[in-house]
Amino acid sequence: DQQVKQNSPSLSVQEGRISILNCDYTNSMFDYFLWYKKYPAEGPTFLISISSIKDKNEDGRFTVFLNKSAKHLSLHSVPSQPGDSAVYFCAASVVLRNDMRFGAGTRLTVKP
Amino acid sequence: ETGVTQSPTHLIKTRGQQVTLRCSSQSGHNTVSWYQQALGQGPQFIFQYYREEENGRGNFPPRFSGLQFPNYSSELNVNALELDDSALYLCASSDASGNWDEQFFGPGTRLTVL
Repeated sequence: DQQVKQNSPSLSVQEGRISILNCDYTNSMFDYFLWYKKYPAEGPTFLISISSIKDKNEDGRFTVFLNKSAKHLSLHSVPSQPGDSAVYFCAASVVLRNDMRFGAGTRLTVKP
Repeated sequence: ETGVTQSPTHLIKTRGQQVTLRCSSQSGHNTVSWYQQALGQGPQFIFQYYREEENGRGNFPPRFSGLQFPNYSSELNVNALELDDSALYLCASSDASGNWDEQFFGPGTRLTVL
């Protein structure tokens, strides 16, 4: 059961421009959402999170938007940098349950 | 402060065999979660251990089992290996159950089942 979906396997953006990664979920019980970044041969690293009581959270160049009615979240990063090139995973959890569901990931390439 | 480490890095087994994967938590962390990441997919939650007790389980059969030791290191055991068990196995540690922002992942163990 794919409760978290990232429908774009890959995305390419120019350095300095904005990159927008999208994620959809089906389980309305999810109340905490995260984005992870993964470089080759490394484990995922936490990037940013958002609780379902918010619709926006910012951390430096990264902003996550949550649209609960559409069951959709997005990760915006600006300006994009070549070091941002990685696979990005969207994840969701139900706080009172100790598990997390991940999307399949989107490979972001930032071109110089 | 050392990060999360996993051993071995790579492993090849044959169908029907048993395998044990190991994870050392980050210093001070008492919670370990294990994930299976098949090729082209996101990580799938297997189970979580908190202070040596199983504290949540995903949709995996009982032949996937685990242990957490008093030093909070952990093992993932898989019995009766199947071809579909070929995947990257990730462990992640945190200082409290449900503290997802502070969950740190290891680099993973790549298991190939022939």
